[in-house]
Amino acid sequence: GENVEQHPSTLSVQEGDSAVIKCTYSDSASNYFPWYKQELGKRPQLIIDIRSNVGEKKDQRIAVTLNKTAKHFSLHITETQPEDSAVYFCAASIHDMRFGAGTRLTVKP
Amino acid sequence: GAVVSQHPSRVICKSGTSVKIECRSLDFQATTMFWYRQFPKQSLMLMATSNEGSKATYEQGVEKDKFLINHASLTLSTLTVTSAHPEDSSFYICSARSLQGDEQFFGPGTRLTVL
Repeated sequence: GENVEQHPSTLSVQEGDSAVIKCTYSDSASNYFPWYKQELGKRPQLIIDIRSNVGEKKDQRIAVTLNKTAKHFSLHITETQPEDSAVYFCAASIHDMRFGAGTRLTVKP
Repeated sequence: GAVVSQHPSRVICKSGTSVKIECRSLDFQATTMFWYRQFPKQSLMLMATSNEGSKATYEQGVEKDKFLINHASLTLSTLTVTSAHPEDSSFYICSARSLQGDEQFFGPGTRLTVL
């Protein structure tokens, strides 16, 4: 089955800096790659997603890149703000969705 | 976006009892619903996939006789934790996907505590 690995597990940046989280997946048939932000005790919130026919997607301060050949995808957050602090999960999906282990992002004011 | 509700949000029960959790898609028909379990400081782990009108598909290591899933309609799936034990204490989250898309819409989760 699909296996998703995510790095780093924790990331601390200064407000205004960029943050990058990377994921790899194992099943080349995966075709949908969402990123979620989860606050403590809450449901995951979709922040951006990308499909396998696209290499890059951007939404304001958030961007995602996908390299199908290498089977890895990355989340880029620019101009980070304290409210970006949360746990971020990547996922890969064919019919069902597998999550990475998560990255705890801390943005220091 | 589409709305998924989950009930109850919190439940505390005694060891050996059963607990039912409901997951509803409020404004779309969910042909497929998913059940996840999340332990503290860990990721979401897929427990099972349920399709309306058919038996659920369970992930390896998840006991189907302990975690009963029913997806009787296109808007409702239920997870029953039978004979709950303290190690079943966790955050249970459902999600729903419509026929048209890839995106999954998550419920708010149910915090189960088994004493």
